[in-house]
Amino acid sequence: SQELEQSPQSLIVQEGKNLTINCTSSKTLYGLYWYKQKYGEGLIFLMMLQKGGEEKSHEKITAKLDEKKQQSSLHITASQPSHAGIYLCGADCLTQGGSEKLVFGKGTKLTVNP
Amino acid sequence: SQTIHQWPATLVQPVGSPLSLECTVEGTSNPNLYWYRQAAGRGLQLLFYSIGIGQISSEVPQNLSASRPQDRQFILSSKKLLLSDSGFYLCAWSLWQGMNEQFFGPGTRLTVL
Repeated sequence: SQELEQSPQSLIVQEGKNLTINCTSSKTLYGLYWYKQKYGEGLIFLMMLQKGGEEKSHEKITAKLDEKKQQSSLHITASQPSHAGIYLCGADCLTQGGSEKLVFGKGTKLTVNP
Repeated sequence: SQTIHQWPATLVQPVGSPLSLECTVEGTSNPNLYWYRQAAGRGLQLLFYSIGIGQISSEVPQNLSASRPQDRQFILSSKKLLLSDSGFYLCAWSLWQGMNEQFFGPGTRLTVL
């Protein structure tokens, strides 16, 4: 079965610093999704990547899917306290045609100190 | 626009009691629906998903069950709760069209004592 490993598990940065979160898959990624979760709340969809080498940005958050489609990175520029939360990556299960299911990493807890 | 609701927001139940969590979606038709559990240190675990009324797929054998009595209603149930059922339960929906962008509800925090 497909597994996603996120690193680091937790991250503490000073406000204004840049940071990167990685998501590595045990199999080829056909769809990779990034979510953000605040403690005790639901997940908020950030962005989706499908093509090798693809890069998307939303405000100060940029996500990339590597050419081999087995790793994605999420980069935050000039972090702010509002960026704090748990970041989770999710991936379409198994097939090239995708599936109705996602598998998720265990998340990266980000703390931004003012 | 689409919205997803979960009820209740928090729940404290004794071991052995029954459970019923409800999830409803508004603003879309024939969504795929999902139940996840999020426990400390274990990430997000898919419990059930449904691609239509009365169609339920179970991902993990356990003492929980799910039902979809209406197109936009998804219910998670148990006849007898275990301590290990404690966790944060999330419902999600998607419109499967070759991609699986899922949208999540606010969650239900269940504590079994």
